[in-house]
Amino acid sequence: DAGVIQSPRHEVTEMGQEVTLRCKPISGHDYLFWYRQTMMRGLELLIYFNNNVPIDDSGMPEDRFSAKMPNASFSTLKIQPSEPRDSAVYFCASSLQTGVGNTIYFGEGSWLTVV
Amino acid sequence: AQSVSQHNHHVILSEAASLELGCNYSYGGTVNLFWYVQYPGQHLQLLLKYFSGDPLVKGIKGFEAEFIKSKFSFNLRKPSVQWSDTAEYFCAVIPNQAGTALIFGKGTTLSVSS
Repeated sequence: DAGVIQSPRHEVTEMGQEVTLRCKPISGHDYLFWYRQTMMRGLELLIYFNNNVPIDDSGMPEDRFSAKMPNASFSTLKIQPSEPRDSAVYFCASSLQTGVGNTIYFGEGSWLTVV
Repeated sequence: AQSVSQHNHHVILSEAASLELGCNYSYGGTVNLFWYVQYPGQHLQLLLKYFSGDPLVKGIKGFEAEFIKSKFSFNLRKPSVQWSDTAEYFCAVIPNQAGTALIFGKGTTLSVSS
């Protein structure tokens, strides 16, 4: 089975531009997570979905960030407008369930640079 | 709020040295515990996990971790490191209840010199 698939792998964009990151979770997984990794803050949970519904978006840094999951096989994380401090690696992850005995699987990440 | 603390930010070892990376969490209930590894330029990979049972868990590549409930700890160990173990290591916790997400420590960078 294919793992979590993210695109683009790398993106360099200018400040002020809109950035859209995409994620396809593992088929059958009910939970989808977006994490951001930076040197200063480590891995931060931005938002997660259960059955396409956002459950906790308290980690989304500000209104410039938005995430959607229109169906069970696709999610987007959008930054509009982007700023240099948004430069980070954005990981998408999915799991069958959360809590009891479940493992979360990560995609390869989207490496974003905003100049 | 739940949190995960990794005490060592950067560890430098020579090949064949023994490794122990500390991890403590703050959550009073039952937890699931994980160690993930991220090799340079790559994504997070699961190294090992603890759900229940034997508190000494063996993972891939010769790594093991011991869950000590009384100390809220889940330290990662390897008796003899190799140059290829150079990576960043993340401890993570998920409370043993549905509807909660994985919480990561800030990571420990391991540099192994040959």
